[in-house]
Amino acid sequence: AQSVSQHNHHVILSEAASLELGCNYSYGGTVNLFWYVQYPGQHLQLLLKYFSGDPLVKGIKGFEAEFIKSKFSFNLRKPSVQWSDTAEYFCAVTKGNFNKFYFGSGTKLNVKP
Amino acid sequence: DGGITQSPKYLFRKEGQNVTLSCEQNLNHDAMYWYRQDPGQGLRLIYYSQIVNDFQKGDIAEGYSVSREKKESFPLTVTSAQKNPTAFYLCASSIKGGAEAFFGQGTRLTVV
Repeated sequence: AQSVSQHNHHVILSEAASLELGCNYSYGGTVNLFWYVQYPGQHLQLLLKYFSGDPLVKGIKGFEAEFIKSKFSFNLRKPSVQWSDTAEYFCAVTKGNFNKFYFGSGTKLNVKP
Repeated sequence: DGGITQSPKYLFRKEGQNVTLSCEQNLNHDAMYWYRQDPGQGLRLIYYSQIVNDFQKGDIAEGYSVSREKKESFPLTVTSAQKNPTAFYLCASSIKGGAEAFFGQGTRLTVV
């Protein structure tokens, strides 16, 4: 079955630690890749997206992600997390120019001050 | 302000009753979606619509129905046939072509 996998369900870090959240997908062909964030009590917001070009994508708030086509992965990274990064993070994929979004199960990040 | 408005924010329903969740957008987006969010399961697609008067079932459409009579509006009805309706429901919209989706604030439905 086609799917998006986020292997880390819950991550706890101290402030200033580095972050990497994994995302793998199982679709072949052209894909568009997204990371969304949901802060407590807020709606889902786009962190970054990849459509084509440079596989290293920079997003808001110091986040970046790298698309590795051979590994079907789009991992999210941040060199130094802050307490305000505490949130749930979702990876999502669309196929080609088709609008149907497939989401991973989410990763809850808890950053300790 | 442009955006997606979902109402109500909280909704309580008695077992056996149908209930309709509202979703309106003023972003002039062609595509609209309904997702259900449950703890540990992420977002699962219920229905989506790419143009007015057309919609398709997502992965968990059973017990739900939608309509798309206007570009701006995509209401979701949770019917009594939905066995486990208590959840957080998210509406989203996007332009065509795989572009990013914009989300509403969500409606938390509780069956009592």
